[in-house]
Amino acid sequence: EVQLVESGGGLVQPGGSLRLSCAASGFTFSNYGVYWVRQAPGKGLEYVSAITSSGDSTFYANSVKGRFTISRDNLKNTLYLQMGGLTTEDMAVYYCARSGNGYLEYWGQGTLVTVSS
Amino acid sequence: EIVMTQSPATLSVSPGERATLSCRASQSVSSSLAWYQQKLGQAPRLLIYGASTRATGIPARFSGSGSETDFTLTISSLQSEDFAIYYCQQYNNWPRTFGQGTKLEIK
Repeated sequence: EVQLVESGGGLVQPGGSLRLSCAASGFTFSNYGVYWVRQAPGKGLEYVSAITSSGDSTFYANSVKGRFTISRDNLKNTLYLQMGGLTTEDMAVYYCARSGNGYLEYWGQGTLVTVSS
Repeated sequence: EIVMTQSPATLSVSPGERATLSCRASQSVSSSLAWYQQKLGQAPRLLIYGASTRATGIPARFSGSGSETDFTLTISSLQSEDFAIYYCQQYNNWPRTFGQGTKLEIK
């Protein structure tokens, strides 16, 4: 069974940093691209970042470019999102998702990031 | 960036009836269009990819159509479990973009 489990969310002050993790199991992690997608409270889905199966290529939404860094460890079957310069606009549930060639086949349950002083 | 526009924002339909949801892209995305269903407090679930291919385990009452800029998700006979929010997403271009969602509610 494919499983994606996010962790690392929590309360952070404006301007602060946080690293999210997504532990994958039930499939060969190194064969798939993976994404981060977020959802602010009461709002819709927003693509954040993606990384190819090998980690050679990364992609970012304009809203996070230069502040967030996506990475992966294929030996640990884990996806990461290093977030910096956080603002209240970044407050959301962050989902990781496995890509099936661009569409998102499997999703984790999400981890909540709260930005507040 | 490709803008995805969904209509209507809210759709009220009675159980057993047909629902038709629309998604329009600001430029062609070929057939690189997916639909997701999200229920309150849950992660999204993939319904349709490639504009018209049902994902594994998705009932046949869900169907997708369209190409280029205009897409439709049809639910042929609404069941109680289908009342949720539906999102479209294009994956033809970077950055990937989602529509703002259509809330399907019970009439």
